[in-house]
Order: sequence, then C-alpha cells, then structure tokens
Amino acid sequence: QKEVEQNSGPLSVPEGAIASLNCTYSDRVSQSFFWYRQYSGKSPELIMSIYSNGDKEDGRFTAQLNKASQYVSLLIRDSQPSDSATYLCAVNIGYSSASKIIFGSGTRLSIRP
Amino acid sequence: EAQVTQNPRYLITVTGKKLTVTCSQNMNHEYMSWYRQDPGLGLRQIYYSMNVEVTDKGDVPEGYKVSRKEKRNFPLILESPSPNQTSLYFCASSRGGQVTYEQYFGPGTRLTVT
Repeated sequence: QKEVEQNSGPLSVPEGAIASLNCTYSDRVSQSFFWYRQYSGKSPELIMSIYSNGDKEDGRFTAQLNKASQYVSLLIRDSQPSDSATYLCAVNIGYSSASKIIFGSGTRLSIRP
Repeated sequence: EAQVTQNPRYLITVTGKKLTVTCSQNMNHEYMSWYRQDPGLGLRQIYYSMNVEVTDKGDVPEGYKVSRKEKRNFPLILESPSPNQTSLYFCASSRGGQVTYEQYFGPGTRLTVT
C-alpha cells in the first residue's frame, strides 16, 4: 500500500460546480496535512494546510481531515477554469517536523466551461 | 520578495560528469528539502535538512548528496549522474518547529542526463 494515495483522475467538473478531491494515508501518527496546486510546468503552490480533525475553510477552498479514517479531502466551490491543475496531497510521516514528507501522485482536475 | 531560488533552471549533461544544483532561500527557514518529480510518480523526497549541519535521507537518496553549511543554502550534488536521474527537481523550504509547516517551492530545475 502506498503511504499517500490519490485518484489520478482526470476529474472533470463543470464550471461553477463543486470539485471534490480525496486523499488517504497509511501512517496513523501523521500530524500535518497539505494540499498543493501545480500547474503544468510550474512548481507546487500551497492551497491549504490542516492539522486537526474537522473542516478548515479559506475562500472557495475547504479542507477536511478525519484522522480516524486516515482521510483528507479538498473541496473547491464555484469551480473556475483557472482551477484546472494537478492537486497534490502531502502528509508528514512521523511524529514531528523531523520527519519525511510524502506526496501523493496527484489528481488532475479539469474544469469544463 | 520572499522566495526560493534554484540554479540552473535547465541542465543537459553526460553520464558521470559531476554537477551541483544550487538552492537558496531568503525567508530564514530552518527546514529545506529536495524533491524529484517524474511522470506518474509524483514528488519524491530526496533529502531534507532540519537545520545547519543536520541532514537526513528522504525516500530516494541513492546517487545524491547534500550539504547544509549555511541556513539559506542547500545544494544538491550528483557525483556521477546517470540517465535514470533525468528528472524535474524542486527545492523547498519551510519554518522548523514542533509541527511540519507548509513548504515554499523553488521554480524547478529540469535535468537531462545523456
């Protein structure tokens, strides 16, 4: 089993709809979870970070964390064509910041007009 | 402007010719890391550093070396590059501490080894 798993997609969502991206992880002691967006040929940029169970909202983005189910998700409301990108889930493996960070292979999101 | 810089951005080299990719950050971050990105495999961590003179292996350290003599710089060294090290490389930095914080990425270095 991969340590961080994402559906590779592509996930196609109509403009204005909600895009839902999912990520599961294998290490029960992971403490820090991140969503990055990466446009083709560019470097990853942070969308959201989440450290405790529940929802965290920032504008059109909501991150959801369920440590019991080892599951983290990203919701994008009112999807725009500019949201078309690959979304990477990242999880720290271990107890503290002195530990590895594992990225999922990414989900390609396409917003269709 | 807060940023992570990498040089060179593009590099074509031959098997066995030692090379160094530089990485520098101006945010006074304690944590720095190197990743490689390959199609279908996502970002894989090569090495990371918690602070000056403190480095540790990531998931794919074979064939790479790093050093952290200054807080702002974290060069990646390929002593004897091979074609399977052809990849897109990213350097990243973040605050250190008890919690793992979000990382800021450099623009990437596309390396081709022939």
